[in-house]
Amino acid sequence: KAGVTQTPRYLIKTRGQQVTLSCSPISGHRSVSWYQQTPGQGLQFLFEYFSETQRNKGNFPGRFSGRQFSNSRSEMNVSTLELGDSALYLCASRAPNQETQYFGPGTRLLVL
Amino acid sequence: GQQVMQIPQYQHVQEGEDFTTYCNSSTTLSNIQWYKQRPGGHPVFLIQLVKSGEVKKQKRLTFQFGEAKKNSSLHITATQTTDVGTYFCAGTSGGSYIPTFGRGTSLIVHP
Repeated sequence: KAGVTQTPRYLIKTRGQQVTLSCSPISGHRSVSWYQQTPGQGLQFLFEYFSETQRNKGNFPGRFSGRQFSNSRSEMNVSTLELGDSALYLCASRAPNQETQYFGPGTRLLVL
Repeated sequence: GQQVMQIPQYQHVQEGEDFTTYCNSSTTLSNIQWYKQRPGGHPVFLIQLVKSGEVKKQKRLTFQFGEAKKNSSLHITATQTTDVGTYFCAGTSGGSYIPTFGRGTSLIVHP
């Protein structure tokens, strides 16, 4: 099976802009979670989508949003970018009723 | 909320030495997972422990889950330069499928 894919892999934006990141899970996985990874805060959970519905949400401001499509692909959007949003954004999928997360390669976002 | 503490934050070893990272949870866990992230890479699943007192081995790696299911450890015997990376533990509890990650332990192996 193909692994989790994320696009784009690298992105440079300026403050105030918005960005959309994409994630395609492993075939058959319906759960997609998003994480923000920074050197200072480690892996921080953003939200989880399952069957096009947000099922869990981490402690991030409303500027961070997401959605999931009927084919389980997911997008994450960050509006009004701030310098502190610079991070590696990881997407992870998992099989039904399994806790193991399979991570994609991530999108490295730099906000200038 | 659930907190997962991991120590040490960094560990420098000479190639051939052993390495251990420890993970402690503020709550009883349903299970614990371990991931490895190579520099510039993404977390890769290593193993999941579910049972109290469980011990699992993968070649030179030994994983333990505490009797109270609140702590875990990863031990690497005779480290190699290929072991370099950050090792994360991640625990789930309370019926949630969303794991809480520890901050990770970065292993640096000097040849």
